[in-house]
Amino acid sequence: NAGVTQTPKFQVLKTGQSMTLQCAQDMNHEYMSWYRQDPGMGLRLIHYSVGAGITDQGEVPNGYNVSRSTTEDFPLRLLSAAPSQTSVYFCASSGKDSRETQYFGPGTRLLVL
Amino acid sequence: GENVEQHPSTLSVQEGDSAVIKCTYSDSASNYFPWYKQELGKGPQLIIDIRSNVGEKKDQRIAVTLNKTAKHFSLHITETQPEDSAVYFCAASILGSSYKLIFGSGTRLLVRP
Repeated sequence: NAGVTQTPKFQVLKTGQSMTLQCAQDMNHEYMSWYRQDPGMGLRLIHYSVGAGITDQGEVPNGYNVSRSTTEDFPLRLLSAAPSQTSVYFCASSGKDSRETQYFGPGTRLLVL
Repeated sequence: GENVEQHPSTLSVQEGDSAVIKCTYSDSASNYFPWYKQELGKGPQLIIDIRSNVGEKKDQRIAVTLNKTAKHFSLHITETQPEDSAVYFCAASILGSSYKLIFGSGTRLLVRP
């Protein structure tokens, strides 16, 4: 079991560029979430999914899109990157069998210039 | 919506001493309160959680207490060790919806040998 994997580990973008942060889990979890972590602000929920084909917005969804075409994958898309999106992004998954435990990936560090 | 406040932001203790981190929440509907530990360069990992039908829960050197009336909960670490040094996050959500965690801002714990 690889758990939750995220790629890339680190990315530098220029303002206005687009990119997709990848997230995959091999635990057959129904639920997946994206968080961003900024200094002094903890983790904030961007988007989440309760199953394939179902997504919804979290606390800070503006500037991000998600889709969930399979149970395993939950990519996060930045359509037009802004410096305010410089952050560390974490993907998490959980399932009915994980007793509320969220399993986090190792994170993607994004720098937008 | 829910708001979680966490104090202190940094905490330095001598090895062997106890450490206490406190959180308050605003939404009385919240009934699930996990604590996550984040080591440098890694994703958060669940260390203990408590549900609103319980006032206290222990797991070896770690304990969590919950006061529903006052809407606050605390993490207690006894006999601290250098490997306890990390950033600790409290969070709140509704049972069954832990994929929508609202996190506190984090506490950086340093255990001095």
